[in-house]
Amino acid sequence: TQLLEQSPQFLSIQEGENLTVYCNSSSVFSSLQWYRQEPGEGPVLLVTVVTGGEVKKLKRLTFQFGDARKDSSLHITAAQPGDTGLYLCAGANDYKLSFGAGTTVTVRA
Amino acid sequence: DAGITQSPRHKVTETGTPVTLRCHQTENHRYMYWYRQDPGHGLRLIHYSYGVKDTDKGEVSDGYSVSRSKTEDFLLTLESATSSQTSVYFCAIKPDRSYEQYFGPGTRLTVT
Repeated sequence: TQLLEQSPQFLSIQEGENLTVYCNSSSVFSSLQWYRQEPGEGPVLLVTVVTGGEVKKLKRLTFQFGDARKDSSLHITAAQPGDTGLYLCAGANDYKLSFGAGTTVTVRA
Repeated sequence: DAGITQSPRHKVTETGTPVTLRCHQTENHRYMYWYRQDPGHGLRLIHYSYGVKDTDKGEVSDGYSVSRSKTEDFLLTLESATSSQTSVYFCAIKPDRSYEQYFGPGTRLTVT
């Protein structure tokens, strides 16, 4: 059973469109992280959110941590083919991470 | 990029043989982790270490053992490989007083 549920599992959009990926849990986390992974490589950290209600922006990417620190969302504005990849959310407690199953994003040129 | 390497990067082995995967870091971090990644499951924690000779089990530790005799090296051993252990294995490191983990490039293991 996955502690963190990500949705959707797959997302295919046209270049220039917007997309949102959701990460939900019944557990409270000390922090929540988002990673992006490309084929044949390890996950790369995009952002860490710590405070309930926190919003962080990284160029065209906006990350939000829910008020109760149980859920998060990743929004990409005007997606580009370079945004293609597997997006993973991970909740942190006690020096360990629990990962969602991931969302595979494909941005078509 | 975090100074973390894994070896080998690819390995094919037969059922019943022992296999050891190595993770090496140059960051001198206390925390090191081993995960496996399978389709539909994300990353699942196998074992982790919080210092030399200090290790603990993760959620999928059955069939795996680990050792850490030096800060820079964390070894994952499959004592007798099974086909269900075919997976991609990732090592990660974490600085003290941080939630963030940094991942190695992975080892693709196939057990035939």
